[in-house]
Amino acid sequence: EPEVTQTPSHQVTQMGQEVILRCVPISNHLYFYWYRQILGQKVEFLVSFYNNEISEKSEIFDDQFSVERPDGSNFTLKIRSTKLEDSAMYFCASSTGSRSQPQHFGDGTRLSIL
Amino acid sequence: GQQLNQSPQSMFIQEGEDVSMNCTSSSIFNTWLWYKQDPGEGPVLLIALYKAGELTSNGRLTAQFGITRKDSFLNISASIPSDVGIYFCAGLMDSSYKLIFGSGTRLLVRP
Repeated sequence: EPEVTQTPSHQVTQMGQEVILRCVPISNHLYFYWYRQILGQKVEFLVSFYNNEISEKSEIFDDQFSVERPDGSNFTLKIRSTKLEDSAMYFCASSTGSRSQPQHFGDGTRLSIL
Repeated sequence: GQQLNQSPQSMFIQEGEDVSMNCTSSSIFNTWLWYKQDPGEGPVLLIALYKAGELTSNGRLTAQFGITRKDSFLNISASIPSDVGIYFCAGLMDSSYKLIFGSGTRLLVRP
């Protein structure tokens, strides 16, 4: 069964450094998402992306965050200047866009900011 | 903002018992989804519900979309040790693809 893949599985970064998290969505999917989950808390929406532009974003997704689809297969989340509170699991998800086909999640990248 | 209240927070049950958990909201949702998350992994879709009143099964799992569109429940029958994990409800509102998640129900099963 096709799946969403994310790399790396764990990223350790110094505060203030830039980090890029990578995702390969399911190949025929058109909508892409990033969510985050702080340890022990619920999953929170960050951003959705369709047709090469952001379609929706949350208040968490401030100017420090950006997303990109640099080619036909990858979808990336960049955090420009990381803060301690950015430490979390970051999940990529994708969907076809049809409401009969829900979002499928990758296994996440654990981001640890030191 | 929109919130989903999920209960119970945790359950510790004997293998073979049935389990029920639910989510409620003050907002109306067009789609309800139930996911399971194992440690170190992403949420895995269990059941999707698209119409008010809809009752859907997936093996030992049954979920219902409340008729008010503000709630949903998930039942697991005859629990087994591999049912252990965190179960999340998630809702989609009209004209949005943003999933709003509940706070999760941690299920532990005693063999």
